[in-house]
Amino acid sequence: AQKITQTQPGMFVQEKEAVTLDCTYDTSDQSYGLFWYKQPSSGEMIFLIYQGSYDEQNATEGRYSLNFQKARKSANLVISASQLGDSAMYFCAMREAYQAGTALIFGKGTTLSVSS
Amino acid sequence: DAMVIQNPRYQVTQFGKPVTLSCSQTLNHNVMYWYQQKSSQAPKLLFHYYDKDFNNEADTPDNFQSRRPNTSFCFLDIRSPGLGDAAMYLCATSRDGGQERKLFFGSGTQLSVL
Repeated sequence: AQKITQTQPGMFVQEKEAVTLDCTYDTSDQSYGLFWYKQPSSGEMIFLIYQGSYDEQNATEGRYSLNFQKARKSANLVISASQLGDSAMYFCAMREAYQAGTALIFGKGTTLSVSS
Repeated sequence: DAMVIQNPRYQVTQFGKPVTLSCSQTLNHNVMYWYQQKSSQAPKLLFHYYDKDFNNEADTPDNFQSRRPNTSFCFLDIRSPGLGDAAMYLCATSRDGGQERKLFFGSGTQLSVL
C-alpha cells in the first residue's frame, strides 16, 4: 500500500490565485512528520513546510500553509497568491517514528503550472 | 552558501562502465542519504549512512554501493551501469536529534548511460 498518495498529476492555476495540492498518508505510527518539497526543472529539492503529528496548529511559511487533518490523514499544501516561479513539481513526504536515520517517503508528486 | 554539494551536475557513462557520484556537506550532519529519481517519478531511497553505519534498502540492487570515508563526504558507486540506471541521483543529509528532521538536498547528479 502506498504510504503517501498525491492524486493530482497536474494542476493549472493563474497568477495571484490560490491553489491546493492534495496529499493523503498512511501510517500506524503516532509520531511522524509531514513535509512538502518543491522541485523546479533544475532538479534540486527545496524544502517548503513541515507539520509534526503532534502539532495542533496548521503550519505556515509565508505563502505556504499546510492544511493538516489528522483524522482524515490528509496534509494538503495551500499556496496563496501563486507566482510564475511557483511552476514546479511538488512532493509530499512523510517521516515515520523519529528513529535515527529514518528517511523520507515521497509521494509521486504534482506538477503545478502557473500562467499569467 | 551551498550546504549539500553534488558533483558532477551531469554525468555520462557507458553501459557497464563503473561510475562514481560524489556528495559533500558543510552542515556536519550525521546522516546522509542517496535517492534515485527517474523521470517524473518520486525519489526512491537507495541507502543511507547513520554516522558510519550503512543501511541498505531491501530492494536496492547489488550494483549500487556506497562509501562514506568521513562525515563530510559520501559516494555512490554504480559498478556496472545499465540503461535502466539512467536517472537523477539526489544526495541528502539530516541531523539526528530535534523534532523536525528535515532533509537537506543537493542539486542532484543527472546520470546518462549510453
